[in-house]
Parts: sequence; structure tokens; C-alpha cells
Amino acid sequence: EPEVTQTPSHQVTQMGQEVILRCVPISNHLYFYWYRQILGQKVEFLVSFYNNEISEKSEIFDDQFSVERPDGSNFTLKIRSTKLEDSAMYFCASSEAGVRTDTQYFGPGTRLTVL
Amino acid sequence: GNSVTQMEGPVTLSEEAFLTINCTYTATGYPSLFWYVQYPGEGLQLLLKATKADDKGSNKGFEATYRKETTSFHLEKGSVQVSDSAVYFCALRRDDKIIFGKGTRLHILP
Repeated sequence: EPEVTQTPSHQVTQMGQEVILRCVPISNHLYFYWYRQILGQKVEFLVSFYNNEISEKSEIFDDQFSVERPDGSNFTLKIRSTKLEDSAMYFCASSEAGVRTDTQYFGPGTRLTVL
Repeated sequence: GNSVTQMEGPVTLSEEAFLTINCTYTATGYPSLFWYVQYPGEGLQLLLKATKADDKGSNKGFEATYRKETTSFHLEKGSVQVSDSAVYFCALRRDDKIIFGKGTRLHILP
């Protein structure tokens, strides 16, 4: 069964450094998403992406964050200058369509630790 | 606004017990409703979904019915197994995003 993959599984970085989290969505999917889960808290939506544009973003997704689909398979989340509070599990997801009935399939996550 | 409330955990049951995890939602319009499960050390997996009122989602012995009148989507299983130990998330989809509940940790004792 096709699945969403993410790399790395765990990333440790120093405060102020840039990080890029990578995702490979399911191959025929057109809609891509990033979520995060701070330890012990809810899974929160960050951003959705379709047709090479951001279609929706949350208030968490400020100027420090950016997303890109650099080629036909990868979808990346960049954090320009990491803060301690960016430490979280980051999940990538993809869906075939953007309608409310469609399922979003999640990757296994990247645990980001900012020191 | 849109939100999901689910029962606090952890929930501890013996193997073969009956499981209910309560979930209620607040939303404008008619969202789709989901249960996701997170096994230890793994990501979020879709367990089941329902897209309109009175729909029943089911998978792996788990069931949940979309109840518009009570704005609920309670998860049930008739006989749980040790392998069901995980964190269960109730969620709704509005527009692009999925809104999750806080999650309920389930421990099943042999």
C-alpha cells in the first residue's frame, strides 16, 4: 500500500539554525499538508499546499516557515531560524483531492529537537 | 469555531473488554469525521471515517457513527486486544485542515 514517507526521523539542531524537513507524498496525490504536535499537546495544522501555492495556513505558520515542492516527488518544510518552542513532532500528509470527504494520509513524522 | 472534545485518558481495560471512547464536536456546516490511531513510536494512521450524518465508519472491529443530533462520533469496539494499545484521536475536517482532539491513550492489559 502506498504511504507517505518523511526524513529524517529525528533532527537535532541548535537554536537559530535553519532546518529542512522532507516528505515524499503518495504519488498520485495533489494536496499536501504539514502539521505539528508539541509533546503532550494536540496535533495542529500548519499549512496546506496545492498547485505550487499555499492554499491555507495557520497563525503558527509565520515568516520563519516556508514550504516548497522542489521536484515532482518531494515536499519540504523549512524553518529559517529555529526557536526552542519549535521542538515538536512534524507530520506531513497528502490527499488525492481537496474536498472535505477526502482522507489525508499521514507520514510517520520527524521529531525536531531544538537545543 | 470548530473544535473536537474527547474523553481524557488514559483508559485502562482488560483484554476482551468493551471499549467506548467519547468524542463530540463543534463545527459550522457538515464536516467529515475521523478517528486516527497512533501506535507507540509510529505516525498517525486513519482508523475509520464518516462523511455524513448517520454514516457508520468501521475498521478492524472498531465502529463509530456520525450523530448530527448529538454532534458526536464515539468510538466503540466489542472486544479489545493488547495490540489495540495506542493513542486514539478524534478529528474533523473543515476546508483544508483537520482539527484534532487531544487524544486518548488506551492501555489494554493481558
